[in-house]
Amino acid sequence: SQQGEEDPQALSIQEGENATMNCSYKTSINNLQWYRQNSGRGLVHLILIRSNEREKHSGRLRVTLDTSKKSSSLLITASRAADTASYFCATAINNNDMRFGAGTRLTVKP
Amino acid sequence: ETGVTQSPTHLIKTRGQQVTLRCSSQSGHNTVSWYQQALGQGPQFIFQYYREEENGRGNFPPRFSGLQFPNYSSELNVNALELDDSALYLCASSPGGQGTYEQYFGPGTRLTVT
Repeated sequence: SQQGEEDPQALSIQEGENATMNCSYKTSINNLQWYRQNSGRGLVHLILIRSNEREKHSGRLRVTLDTSKKSSSLLITASRAADTASYFCATAINNNDMRFGAGTRLTVKP
Repeated sequence: ETGVTQSPTHLIKTRGQQVTLRCSSQSGHNTVSWYQQALGQGPQFIFQYYREEENGRGNFPPRFSGLQFPNYSSELNVNALELDDSALYLCASSPGGQGTYEQYFGPGTRLTVT
């Protein structure tokens, strides 16, 4: 079963705009990870944020985590056409149980 | 590109047959996890292998089984294939448990069951 749910399911923006994707989950977690997937290929790890962290940055990516609301957000600033992909959040319940959401499909128009 | 490879890339099987998918983990990684991803869905965790032992399993029936070898490469075996087994099968390696470390995914094997 999937624990995380991304919102929105699909997002279409113009190049240069910011994209925000949200993830909600149900149970307590060790950490939350965001991954990107291009067109049915393998997933690429973006950021891991631990349950005791509130915010992390990596280049144009900013992730926040609110454990009281059981939610996380991924912000991509100054988007590019190459950012077009599906984005998944994955929640780690313990060391060997990680659940992915259904993903947000982001389209960045040139 | 990660150092994780999977074979074959594509596979077509008939209902009731058996299939074996293979995964070579990234150098230095002792943990391999397998996922099933149906079209338009997120990956579903099948199981994880750590140092040749199954170390966690998702909600998949026993006809999904696996192996991990001393070099940490891994196989996923599916018996008695069903139409619903058609999916992209992903393996991912990590230096420890999937819930603690980032995972490095292979490109996947696309399985079609007819």
